[in-house]
Parts: sequence; C-alpha cells; structure tokens
Amino acid sequence: GAVVSQHPSRVICKSGTSVKIECRSLDFQATTMFWYRQFPKQSLMLMATSNEGSKATYEQGVEKDKFLINHASLTLSTLTVTSAHPEDSSFYICSATKIAGGLVVEQFFGPGTRLTVL
Amino acid sequence: GQNIDQPTEMTATEGAIVQINCTYQTSGFNGLFWYQQHAGEAPTFLSYNVLDGLEEKGRFSSFLSRSKGYSYLLLKELQMKDSASYLCAVVDSNYQLIWGAGTKLIIKP
Repeated sequence: GAVVSQHPSRVICKSGTSVKIECRSLDFQATTMFWYRQFPKQSLMLMATSNEGSKATYEQGVEKDKFLINHASLTLSTLTVTSAHPEDSSFYICSATKIAGGLVVEQFFGPGTRLTVL
Repeated sequence: GQNIDQPTEMTATEGAIVQINCTYQTSGFNGLFWYQQHAGEAPTFLSYNVLDGLEEKGRFSSFLSRSKGYSYLLLKELQMKDSASYLCAVVDSNYQLIWGAGTKLIIKP
C-alpha cells in the first residue's frame, strides 16, 4: 500500500530555534496534505491543509507565521516551526490525501514527529 | 457546528467481540474513516466507508448509515494487541477530516 514518511521522527531543540519537518508520499501523488498536532492523551488537532502549488489554509488559532507550510510538489510538504517554544512540544503528524472523482481514494498518515523544545 | 461522538472508553475480554459506535453531524459527507492508534504512535488506517452498509476486513468490520449519521467498528476475536484508541473521522464537503476524540479500548485476559 501507499507509504507516507516523515522526517525527522524525533527532534529536540532549544527554545527560539526553528525546526523543519518533512512529509513525503512515497508511491502516490498527494493532492492534499494535512498537518496535525496531538498533545498527550488528546485527539488529533488539525493545524492546516496544504494543496500543492497554493497557500496553506490554517485552522482558527493556528499562527501561520509561526507554522510555515510549503507544499511545493505532489509528493512533499514541509512544516517549519519557527522560533519554537516549550509549549510547541507535541507530536506532529502529516497525512497525505489523494482525491479523484470527488472521492477520497487514498488517505494515509505519516509516522509522526515528536518535537521537544527545551 | 460539526461534531463527532464516540464513547471515551470501552472494556472487553480477549476472544470476545466489541462494537465501537460513532455518530456524526457534519457539513457534507465524503466518507468516514476508522483508525487505530497505539500510544505514542501515529494512527493506522483500518477502514473507509462512503456507501451505506457493512465492509468486512478480516477480524474488523465497519458499518455506515448516512441517513442516521452513524457508523460502527466491529472487532471480533479480540486480541491483547487490539488494546488501543480507535478514532472515527468524517470527511466533510471541503475534504477536511473531522475527528472524534477517540475510544480507548481496553482488552482484559
């Protein structure tokens, strides 16, 4: 089946630094990619939706200048957490979606990236 | 507003059957997903229903009734490794995934 990869799987950084997370769909072209954040024992929270070649759509309460999303190709989306702070420590998960004929034909999650900001 | 409801926690016995229900109210409907998530890991895909009826995949089955805004995930012959959270998610008219809070399933010997 389709595979979505994320890199890095785990990152520890100092407060104030920026961290880039890559999400790649390895064997299909992803029309749409979603970025989620999940805090311990909580449900997935959608941060933003990115469509290839256009600006990402951010959910209410998510700062677009802090969480930069780039979806430059049908197989790669990146999330950059700028000037990270300890409260940004979380599990970040991407999902890659292929929509065809008005139906979601493929939807797979990456393995997630555990970000710890010291 | 958009809403997905599923029980917070369920307990079942190894070898038994359990049904996890999900009801939804969303702006449009383009399918419903069930995912399994073990602690500290990303969700893994279980099923996708877009038409009414039952979809069976081995020990897991998923049912959808669009008119009732209702789905269930049925797990048979429960194994200890099935202990996890089960997430229901609906694709709305904007192809956004609306997530339930998840059902924590505890399997006892």
